[in-house]
Amino acid sequence: GAGVSQSPSNKVTEKGKDVELRCDPISGHTALYWYRQSLGQGLEFLIYFQGNSAPDKSGLPSDRFSAERTGGSVSTLTIQRTQQEDSAVYLCASSLGFDWKETQYFGPGTRLLVL
Amino acid sequence: GDSVTQMEGPVTLSEEAFLTINCTYTATGYPSLFWYVQYPGEGLQLLLKATKADDKGSNKGFEATYRKETTSFHLEKGSVQVSDSAVYFCALSGRGADGLTFGKGTHLIIQP
Repeated sequence: GAGVSQSPSNKVTEKGKDVELRCDPISGHTALYWYRQSLGQGLEFLIYFQGNSAPDKSGLPSDRFSAERTGGSVSTLTIQRTQQEDSAVYLCASSLGFDWKETQYFGPGTRLLVL
Repeated sequence: GDSVTQMEGPVTLSEEAFLTINCTYTATGYPSLFWYVQYPGEGLQLLLKATKADDKGSNKGFEATYRKETTSFHLEKGSVQVSDSAVYFCALSGRGADGLTFGKGTHLIIQP
């Protein structure tokens, strides 16, 4: 079946612009996660959704970052007023349920470059 | 908080050599443990996992055993191939944690 998909695959933007990254999870997966992969910080967890709800937003790097999920499916991660330090690969993952034993399945990522 | 420590490499081996990549963790309680692999130009893929102490995860000739007493989950393969060249990430998922905690990743290079 179809895996996790993300769009765009690459995004180049100018400092100060807003960007929206999209994630389409595996059908039927109720849990959705966002991570960031950068050279300096490795893989960092950002936020998760159980259904449409994000109980804990403390992993988001700053208040310029926000995320939403609608219809228990597609999620968007929005970065406002982008900065050069936001340059990274943004990964989305989904799992069947929200449980520490569940396997998370990752999408190919969106590579963001802020000039 | 939770943390995962693994050798970063690069680790360079010849084809058919024995592979060990060490992974140790710090977590409250009994987390689930995972090895993910990232092949060049591709996304993260689950390689294997173990959800309780003494469990052994295995896949594609790779194995790792969940050792609670040493808080370790070392990855092993008896005979590596060039196609195993990739970055390997050890990760944990703790009870009550929101997401996975990853190690820094180990870059493995297999030479023919």
